[in-house]
Amino acid sequence: DAGVTQSPTHLIKTRGQQVTLRCSPKSGHDTVSWYQQALGQGPQFIFQYYEEEERQRGNFPDRFSGHQFPNYSSELNVNALLLGDSALYLCASSFQANTEAFFGQGTRLTVV
Amino acid sequence: SQKIEQNSEALNIQEGKTATLTCNYTNYSPAYLQWYRQDPGRGPVFLLLIRENEKEKRKERLKVTFDTTLKQSLFHITASQPADSATYLCALDISSGYSTLTFGKGTMLLVSP
Repeated sequence: DAGVTQSPTHLIKTRGQQVTLRCSPKSGHDTVSWYQQALGQGPQFIFQYYEEEERQRGNFPDRFSGHQFPNYSSELNVNALLLGDSALYLCASSFQANTEAFFGQGTRLTVV
Repeated sequence: SQKIEQNSEALNIQEGKTATLTCNYTNYSPAYLQWYRQDPGRGPVFLLLIRENEKEKRKERLKVTFDTTLKQSLFHITASQPADSATYLCALDISSGYSTLTFGKGTMLLVSP
């Protein structure tokens, strides 16, 4: 079992550009959540996808959007990048309610 | 406002001793609480989950307590080893079981030989 895989591992973008990050959940998991982790902070919840719909959303602007595909994989899109979007972006998958989340290794995004 | 607070300073202990990490929260009523370990540049790794009706949970050298009256969880690592050095994150699920987590900032634990 490959666990949760994310791509790419590192990315450098320029202010104003758009970026797409990808996530494949752990085998058997149907729910994908995305988190942003700034340096020295805990992960902050962005949104969660289940059955190809956004089920929950944290306090992030509309520049952050996502998608879930029929095979449960997911994408996170960020438009009009700001310097403050530089962070480690984490994808987590889970199966049933009230269970632990399995995290990927993250994508380190640097906006210059 | 809602807050989750963990030991703000790094915790330095000697190998073999017990490490105790604290997680306090305000204005939440979580159904359960989780602890994760995170190494530099890596994603968090799940350690333990404890439900609101459980007082204590154990797994090998790890023990978690959950006091919903005090709004506090304590995380213990007994017989600590240098390999236990990492950042430990406390997380609450406030989404009624959808597994959307609110994290504290984490506590860095350093175990010296």
